[in-house]
Amino acid sequence: DTGVSQNPRHKITKRGQNVTFRCDPISEHNRLYWYRQTLGQGPEFLTYFQNEAQLEKSRLLSDRFSAERPKGSFSTLEIQRTEQGDSAMYLCASSLRKGNEQFFGPGTRLTVL
Amino acid sequence: AQSVTQLDSQVPVFEEAPVELRCNYSSSVSVYLFWYVQYPNQGLQLLLKYLSGSTLVESINGFEAEFNKSQTSFHLRKPSVHISDTAEYFCAVSESLPTQGGSEKLVFGKGTKLTVNP
Repeated sequence: DTGVSQNPRHKITKRGQNVTFRCDPISEHNRLYWYRQTLGQGPEFLTYFQNEAQLEKSRLLSDRFSAERPKGSFSTLEIQRTEQGDSAMYLCASSLRKGNEQFFGPGTRLTVL
Repeated sequence: AQSVTQLDSQVPVFEEAPVELRCNYSSSVSVYLFWYVQYPNQGLQLLLKYLSGSTLVESINGFEAEFNKSQTSFHLRKPSVHISDTAEYFCAVSESLPTQGGSEKLVFGKGTKLTVNP
């Protein structure tokens, strides 16, 4: 399978715990995006990488959120001290160039108890 | 900043009927426009996109959308729907800048759930 993959697919955690999600983009794609989707809403942009450089961050990305793409390949999204409001589907997407289709992964569903 | 409005949260139709899913956007710069589809228990897939050129764009499964700059709209249409078209449809916009830089994020609407009944 050469699509975007995300792990884990589901994560249940207790409030206050830290969680980390991984995204593996399509191999030749240099652009990687993270979005968050809550029930009844469309995906909302969180952050974007071009190769290993994080070029844009949304105001939604509080200090508790951090994302990395250390070698310009896979990316991780970490949420520290999770809150119930962090419960959502976290989506990763990748693309080859500006204006090209963003290919989405299946998402990681986070439930914070 | 851009925003996208999908006025209809749910659209029920009968099989073989025509359908239109409405999308209006707001932006202070030129934009690219997209329709994504999410089938039950599946990820988002691109349905069609407008980057430049002809304002009417088509998908391989019979959907079409027309970019109307004066009305800032990008409505999605299909003349005859099938049961298999039941899904949630998201309209999205991103900046189109001729030079390097600028935002590459997609801004999505809230989605329209299309239900096709027999």
